[in-house]
Amino acid sequence: DAGITQSPRHKVTETGTPVTLRCHQTENHRYMYWYRQDPGHGLRLIHYSYGVKDTDKGEVSDGYSVSRSKTEDFLLTLESATSSQTSVYFCAIRKQGLLSGNTIYFGEGSWLTVV
Amino acid sequence: TQLLEQSPQFLSIQEGENLTVYCNSSSVFSSLQWYRQEPGEGPVLLVTVVTGGEVKKLKRLTFQFGDARKDSSLHITAAQPGDTGLYLCAGASAGGTSYGKLTFGQGTILTVHP
Repeated sequence: DAGITQSPRHKVTETGTPVTLRCHQTENHRYMYWYRQDPGHGLRLIHYSYGVKDTDKGEVSDGYSVSRSKTEDFLLTLESATSSQTSVYFCAIRKQGLLSGNTIYFGEGSWLTVV
Repeated sequence: TQLLEQSPQFLSIQEGENLTVYCNSSSVFSSLQWYRQEPGEGPVLLVTVVTGGEVKKLKRLTFQFGDARKDSSLHITAAQPGDTGLYLCAGASAGGTSYGKLTFGQGTILTVHP
């Protein structure tokens, strides 16, 4: 358990509406990530953060923005939701160990349906 | 862009059989992780391999990292129905500042029939 909480866990929204997903962590990790998971694509990185107010784009960032105003929270916003953004969204944090290298732990996911 | 090719995509076997899942790339990774995911849940880390040629065992699961750190395999001995799930490999970029970003394979859906 890496102390990650995602909210909401399930949401149905209409096309064109804004949506914000929240990721909250309790262990003060510097690195946080948002991935989406779709059939046949595995998990793909949307945005990531390497510190408060330090964020960057991943491979599928179009249509998404993020914010990290404090260490424990990483927000993912869909400014104007589209049906192609129907997906399962996973937040993740990075734990770094001398022997284990980069170890990423995932939250339980947020299921988003855009109708 | 780094790619990880995972195979097979689907695997349906009988209880007691052995199986191997492969993860291949033309890129070098600093580490490679294997995850197992059940429906409705997030991926759960099984193992991280860091050193080329490394072999790690987790009960009936054996993980191997290729000598060149470009490929990995997961071998399950005497599969059980409880092993059913989605298995994902993920590589962390080697060199430079990768910020811990992972490249995922497409996943292998394993079904073990009693």
